[in-house]
Amino acid sequence: NAGVTQTPKFRVLKTGQSMTLLCAQDMNHEYMYWYRQDPGMGLRLIHYSVGEGTTAKGEVPDGYNVSRLKKQNFLLGLESAAPSQTSVYFCASSAGYTQYFGPGTRLTVL
Amino acid sequence: KQEVTQIPAALSVPEGENLVLNCSFTDSAIYNLQWFRQDPGKGLTSLLLIQSSQREQTSGRLNASLDKSSGRSTLYIAASQPGDSATYLCAASGRGAGSYQLTFGKGTKLSVIP
Repeated sequence: NAGVTQTPKFRVLKTGQSMTLLCAQDMNHEYMYWYRQDPGMGLRLIHYSVGEGTTAKGEVPDGYNVSRLKKQNFLLGLESAAPSQTSVYFCASSAGYTQYFGPGTRLTVL
Repeated sequence: KQEVTQIPAALSVPEGENLVLNCSFTDSAIYNLQWFRQDPGKGLTSLLLIQSSQREQTSGRLNASLDKSSGRSTLYIAASQPGDSATYLCAASGRGAGSYQLTFGKGTKLSVIP
């Protein structure tokens, strides 16, 4: 039982490049979430999903897209990366209200 | 818009001391209040969840209380240990369709000195 895993762990991008962050969970949870964590700002919700095939916007969705084609996976895409997207990205999942977090992806956009 | 505040931002205590971490929120219409722990370079680990109808929850040396009317929650740690050193975050959920969305505080960084 791996819980919530995130790929990759680290990534450096140049401005304008695109990439996809992968989140996978093996707990059969319906709900999945993407957060970003920035110094002085705390964790902020980017997008979330309440089930396979569904997505919804969180507090800071601009510049990101998401997809939930399979129940166990939640993908976060950056189509044209900007330096303001330099952050640590966390994925979480839940069956009820308790959320289980992945280890994070540290993304730097130059 | 919900705002969650945690004061102080950092706290240093000697081993064995009992301590209280504070969390305040602006909108009392929450569904639940959660406390998490984050170790450096790691993800968050859920510690305690208090439903809006509850006043407190306990797990081992941890006790969390909730006072919706005053917009406050506290996390009490008994007999602190160096292994308790971490950043502690509280998060408030919305109600209705937003009950699964969390608004986080910026955290209190706790250092327990041996």
